[in-house]
Order: sequence, then C-alpha cells, then structure tokens
Amino acid sequence: GAGVSQTPSNKVTEKGKYVELRCDPISGHTALYWYRQSLGQGPEFLIYFQGTGAADDSGLPNDRFFAVRPEGSVSTLKIQRTERGDSAVYLCASSHPVRGENTGELFFGEGSRLTVL
Amino acid sequence: DAKTTQPNSMESNEEEPVHLPCNHSTISGTDYIHWYRQLPSQGPEYVIHGLTSNVNNRMASLAIAEDRKSSTLILHRATLRDAAVYYCILRVQDQGAQKLVFGQGTRLTINP
Repeated sequence: GAGVSQTPSNKVTEKGKYVELRCDPISGHTALYWYRQSLGQGPEFLIYFQGTGAADDSGLPNDRFFAVRPEGSVSTLKIQRTERGDSAVYLCASSHPVRGENTGELFFGEGSRLTVL
Repeated sequence: DAKTTQPNSMESNEEEPVHLPCNHSTISGTDYIHWYRQLPSQGPEYVIHGLTSNVNNRMASLAIAEDRKSSTLILHRATLRDAAVYYCILRVQDQGAQKLVFGQGTRLTINP
C-alpha cells in the first residue's frame, strides 16, 4: 500500500514482557515519528528520526523505551518490562523534510494498540 | 513549543458551516499554524496550514487574525464524515524542528 503501515494492529501482553512495534513508512520519506495516544488524549510525541539517526528523543518516557531505524526506512519501537501504564495506541508517522514551500506534512498510520494486562 | 487553546468540544448540523477557533497568543514570527484532524480509530490527518494569509484548500479554509494570535478553521459545509477531533498546532518551519506537539483538540460532533 501507499500509506504508513504499522504492525501489529493489536498487541496484548502481560506486565513485565518485552514488546516490539513495527512501522513501515511511505517510500522516500526520510523523517519518521513515533507518538503514543492514551484514551481521550491527543497524541504524545515520543521520538523522531531523520534518516537513521534519532534527531529528537526527548519524548521517550524512560529507558524502557527505545527505537531504531537501522537502514533509514522501517523503524521498530521497543518496550522492555512493560507496565500497565504503557497501554495506549502507538502511532507512527512519516514525512518528507521541510524544504521551501514543502510543509513536511505528517502522514500517520492507523496505530498499534498495546494492552498490558 | 508555543501553546494553543481550543474549545474541548463543538457541535454543528450537517450541511452547515463550522468555525473552529484556536488561540495562540504566544505565537512567534517563525511559527506556522497547522491543523490536523483525527477520525475515530484512525491516525491524525493533515487538513491545512498557513503563516499569515488566509488559505483555502479542498478540505477547508484557514482564517488567520492580523496579529496572528488566533485562527479559525472553517468547514464550509459539514458532513457526517467531518465528525472528528481537530487539532490546532504551531510548528516552526525549520529543517531541524519538525515535530508536531498535539494538544487536546476540539471534538466536533455533526448532527444529521
């Protein structure tokens, strides 16, 4: 498909387990973002990649959260020792870089819903 | 990041215009005003953006106050499919600062 693809769409895990969430951005988009969204709240920024490097990881809540983008395309968000408070929808977005009149519009996937029991 | 203030919720009727307000009194000269919306069970989608002048596209219009301290997203003829949460976001148009910081947004309900 032409859009941002996220897998799995739903993940149920037990407290303390390790989880990986995958994001496949739109082809050619160099920027990739991760957000998480709790029920009734707006999306909360986690981390942003420009190419392979994390340009801004100021939103990662603690060292249990880590994200990689080794080849500048697919990204994986990794959560260690999951807690019930990690339950949320994790959204991925990609964009072209801002340049001239190009807005750098973000294109979002449909998200991965994580439930930690 | 500069903050925006929006009403928590608004309601309108189908086929009527909708005006969604946003206050951003601390906006700086390099901040662009972006609007995204989030339909139920979907990720946010871009609606429109502007800097100083009013903007129109196929989805909506954006009216920006002369002092840029407020703006209004205008849906000219609302349909049931426009029911969503609408986010007004300030974003520095700079290659090194691209993230969007979402607030709570305005939940728009459209009555048939």
